[in-house]
Amino acid sequence: EPEVTQTPSHQVTQMGQEVILRCVPISNHLYFYWYRQILGQKVEFLVSFYNNEISEKSEIFDDQFSVERPDGSNFTLKIRSTKLEDSAMYFCASSDRDPFYGEQFFGPGTRLTVL
Amino acid sequence: RKEVEQDPGPFNVPEGATVAFNCTYSNSASQSFFWYRQDCRKEPKLLMSVYSSGNEDGRFTAQLNRASQYISLLIRDSKLSDSATYLCVLTGQGNTPLVFGKGTRLSVIA
Repeated sequence: EPEVTQTPSHQVTQMGQEVILRCVPISNHLYFYWYRQILGQKVEFLVSFYNNEISEKSEIFDDQFSVERPDGSNFTLKIRSTKLEDSAMYFCASSDRDPFYGEQFFGPGTRLTVL
Repeated sequence: RKEVEQDPGPFNVPEGATVAFNCTYSNSASQSFFWYRQDCRKEPKLLMSVYSSGNEDGRFTAQLNRASQYISLLIRDSKLSDSATYLCVLTGQGNTPLVFGKGTRLSVIA
């Protein structure tokens, strides 16, 4: 069964450093998302990406964040200068249709720890 | 009022029990509704979509009441493997993102 994969599974970084979280969505999917979940909190939307551009972003997704689809398979989230409060689990998700209609498939997540 | 509200639990039930979770939402423009399941430190996985007419999938039954802005999930004949956090999730029309509740934790005890 096709699945979303994410690397690394755990990333530890120093405050102020740049990190890139990588995702490989399911191959025929067209919609891509990043979510985050701070420990003990709810899953929060960061950004959605469709047709090679950002379609929507939340207040969390400020200038420190960026996304890229550098080739036909990878989808990356970059945090330019990490803060302590960026520590969270980051989930990538993809779907083959508008979320109004169907399931988003989530990757296993990258746990980001900012020291 | 929070966008999606759920009783955090935990609900501790014996195997074989029937358990029900409720969820209320504040945005009356919400269009699609789902229950996701999340195991500890794992990713959310879709359990079932929720339709106005109500829908059933094996031991799981979901109901939607648009007038009251209320969604429910009923689990019959609980199994140990049902232990997880159940997330109430909704979305608006068009390519809008999923909005998650904080989840209700269920522990099924032998």
